[in-house]
Order: sequence, then structure tokens, then C-alpha cells
Amino acid sequence: NAGVTQTPKFQVLKTGQSMTLQCAQDMNHEYMSWYRQDPGMGLRLIHYSVGAGITDQGEVPNGYNVSRSTTEDFPLRLLSAAPSQTSVYFCASRAMTGSNTEAFFGQGTRLTVV
Amino acid sequence: QKEVEQDPGPLSVPEGAIVSLNCTYSNSAFQYFMWYRQYSRKGPELLMYTYSSGNKEDGRFTAQVDKSSKYISLFIRDSQPSDSATYLCAMSAKTSYDKVIFGPGTSLSVIP
Repeated sequence: NAGVTQTPKFQVLKTGQSMTLQCAQDMNHEYMSWYRQDPGMGLRLIHYSVGAGITDQGEVPNGYNVSRSTTEDFPLRLLSAAPSQTSVYFCASRAMTGSNTEAFFGQGTRLTVV
Repeated sequence: QKEVEQDPGPLSVPEGAIVSLNCTYSNSAFQYFMWYRQYSRKGPELLMYTYSSGNKEDGRFTAQVDKSSKYISLFIRDSQPSDSATYLCAMSAKTSYDKVIFGPGTSLSVIP
């Protein structure tokens, strides 16, 4: 099935722990992004990538790292979890299709940091 | 000031009404404009995509972009209870197509 797959769906971390959120897409999309969604704040861009080997910072990059070694995968690493990183995390992929665009989001990872 | 502003609502309308959802933005470099729909506890899904100014229609949905006013709109005709969701506008600049910035979203309820 085509789409964006995120794992895990739920995660509880203790302050100071590290973890990696996984994101994979099978549509050969060049653009991939990570967002966090908090109540009343919409989606805020953490990091994004325009292709394998190329990443850049978004609006709220502090405390997160990314890498893009393949077109399909775009993992997000939390270096030392803090309660302020409690949020729902979404991965997205996108591609231009002629004069239009094709974009898909994963189902999200609900992260709680205690 | 946030780059993209959107009235959070909630907006409640009767079934069959015409819904108007709006966003304003401050960055004049934005050229690509999108509307997403997000159901509760789900990922957003792309509804409409427009480039630069003008209108675009797709079924019951019409997207409008007025770059001179830095204002975009989404109209939903003959609204249905299944349209009840949060609607998010999003945009990016031509020089950074991949850096998509979202508004905070408007919560819509369509009452049968």
C-alpha cells in the first residue's frame, strides 16, 4: 500500500532518554518533513529534506536530529527527551506532479515525556 | 507575529451551508498554497493546492488566493456532516518549495 508509515504510534519516555521516530514512504517522493502538533499551535516544522543526503532546519529544530540516507527513510532522533517535547509528531512526504502536488502524512506518533 | 494566521474557531454551521475558511500571511515570498483537512487523531490530508494567485475548484471545494492582500480562502459548498474536521492552510515560497509552513487550523462542525 502506498503511503507514509510512522513507527511507533505511541511512546512514553523518561526525561533524558533518547529515541528515534521512524518514517518511511514508498512513493519515491523527494521531499520529506517532520512536524510536531500541539494544541492551538497547528503543525510546526522541525526538519525537512529535499532528497537523500540533504536536510535542513525548520521552525523548531532544537533537540532533534535527522538524516536522510535513502529516498524512502527519514528518521527523527530525540537526543535527550524533555517534557516540552511531549507532542504528536507527523512525518510527511511530497512531490511535484506536473502543475500539481502530491502530499501524504503519516498517522502520527504520540509521544509523552515524563 | 506568526507567518501564517488562521481563526481557530470553532465554527459551527448547519448542513448544506456554504463554509468560508480563511488565512492571512505575512511573507510575500509565499507562492504555493495548500489546504489540508484533518480528522480527529488522524494525519492531515491534502485537499487543495494552488500556485500563485487565482481560483481553483474541485467538486464542492473552491480555493482562492489573493496575493495582493496576502489572504487565502477555502469555500465548501453544500457542507456535509462528514466535512466536520480541522482545516489547515499551508504555504511555501518558490525558493524553498519544500519548507511548508502551516496555520494553526480552524475547527469546523457541520450540524445535521
